[in-house]
Amino acid sequence: QVQLQESGPRLVKPSETLSLTCTVSGYSITNYYWGWIRQPPGKGLEWVGSISPRGTTYYSPSLRSRVTLSLDTSKNQFSLRLTSVTAADTAVYFCVKIYGSGSYFDSWGRGTLITVSS
Amino acid sequence: QVVLTQSPSASASLGASVNLTCTLSSAHSSYSIAWHQQQPEKGPRYLMKVNSDGSHSKGDGIPDRFSGSSSGAERYLTISSLQSDDEADYYCQTWATNIWVFGGGTKLTVL
Repeated sequence: QVQLQESGPRLVKPSETLSLTCTVSGYSITNYYWGWIRQPPGKGLEWVGSISPRGTTYYSPSLRSRVTLSLDTSKNQFSLRLTSVTAADTAVYFCVKIYGSGSYFDSWGRGTLITVSS
Repeated sequence: QVVLTQSPSASASLGASVNLTCTLSSAHSSYSIAWHQQQPEKGPRYLMKVNSDGSHSKGDGIPDRFSGSSSGAERYLTISSLQSDDEADYYCQTWATNIWVFGGGTKLTVL
């Protein structure tokens, strides 16, 4: 059974960079695809980006210019960086495991609320 | 680009059955989708994958009360014998080359 745990600063100032890490237990990150989903308060789910076990990245067209995903195989973690944040980036951020060679999200982290505010 | 359309809300009585619908954009009517449940104040959990032929595969521990089916571009989630903790938001999700997409979600109220 995979376990996913998000971690990182909960408060980020406008124009700065949001950085989150997902620690994976139970599965090696080198064998599966992984992703980040976000949910603004009171709104629906939005795909942010995905990363393959070899590190190939895929980003939401609306965020592509500001987002970077990466793997740290030594720590069995993957990470999200989102630059130049605004209040619109305030959301609960979830890390997810992706089934197979990139299809549906079959396991979810508990999520962490990131607030963008000065 | 693939689009998923869901009704914003649905309601049904305790013990009854309900069908939730997710409609794929017409050019993508053969795509498989996944259903996810998000109970109040909780993170989502994967329920099942539904294929265009109506076959479905459920996640671990998902009760038999939950089932999936398909018709054309529509993918369905049927919940029978509704319980109070079935009251939740339900999202469909699909995937294509280099992109993953969610529907807007359906808020299910159990009366």
